[in-house]
Amino acid sequence: AQTVTQSQPEMSVQEAETVTLSCTYDTSESDYYLFWYKQPPSRQMILVIRQEAYKQQNATENRFSVNFQKAAKSFSLKISDSQLGDAAMYFCAYRSSDGAQKLVFGQGTRLTINP
Amino acid sequence: KAGVTQTPRYLIKTRGQQVTLSCSPISGHRSVSWYQQTPGQGLQFLFEYFSETQRNKGNFPGRFSGRQFSNSRSEMNVSTLELGDSALYLCASNRGLGGANYGYTFGSGTRLTVV
Repeated sequence: AQTVTQSQPEMSVQEAETVTLSCTYDTSESDYYLFWYKQPPSRQMILVIRQEAYKQQNATENRFSVNFQKAAKSFSLKISDSQLGDAAMYFCAYRSSDGAQKLVFGQGTRLTINP
Repeated sequence: KAGVTQTPRYLIKTRGQQVTLSCSPISGHRSVSWYQQTPGQGLQFLFEYFSETQRNKGNFPGRFSGRQFSNSRSEMNVSTLELGDSALYLCASNRGLGGANYGYTFGSGTRLTVV
């Protein structure tokens, strides 16, 4: 079974600075999808960015980018120019391409933005 | 367009009772998944429905069940509630047929408290 590990329960960063959240996963599959979700106090999980394992190019969405290292099974999220609205729980998630139709989540990292 | 709608937002039940939670997916989305979120276990997959059929089920006891209607709305039911069922229950939808590869859209969840 696949597992996802987020080793940083909490992180903090100064507004306008850059922060990197770590995620590692364990799988024997070669084709899969990885996601970062944000969960603010409103509780709704919001998709931040996605990565397809067969694409070597790292995904980027505005201030959010990933560092995908397939061999190391690492999928870190970099947030540039941090804003107060970025404060939330961040979850790394794995989805197999085998049609299992489920996300396997890490334990989450609580990100605090200091003004 | 309207997002994923979960009702009710909050629910308090007594041990031994049963509860039904509702999820209305985004219009056009045919796949609905359910997740349980607790501080101790994190986010865990319950089950997934597509076109009124359960395609996948997580490792939960039979007290947890669900169904999907022809309009793609889904309900999950928990019978004989236990204190440990207290959690945030999240519903997620996608259009199905490969749509999950692009991520899921989540609702804001139902906070269930069992006393």
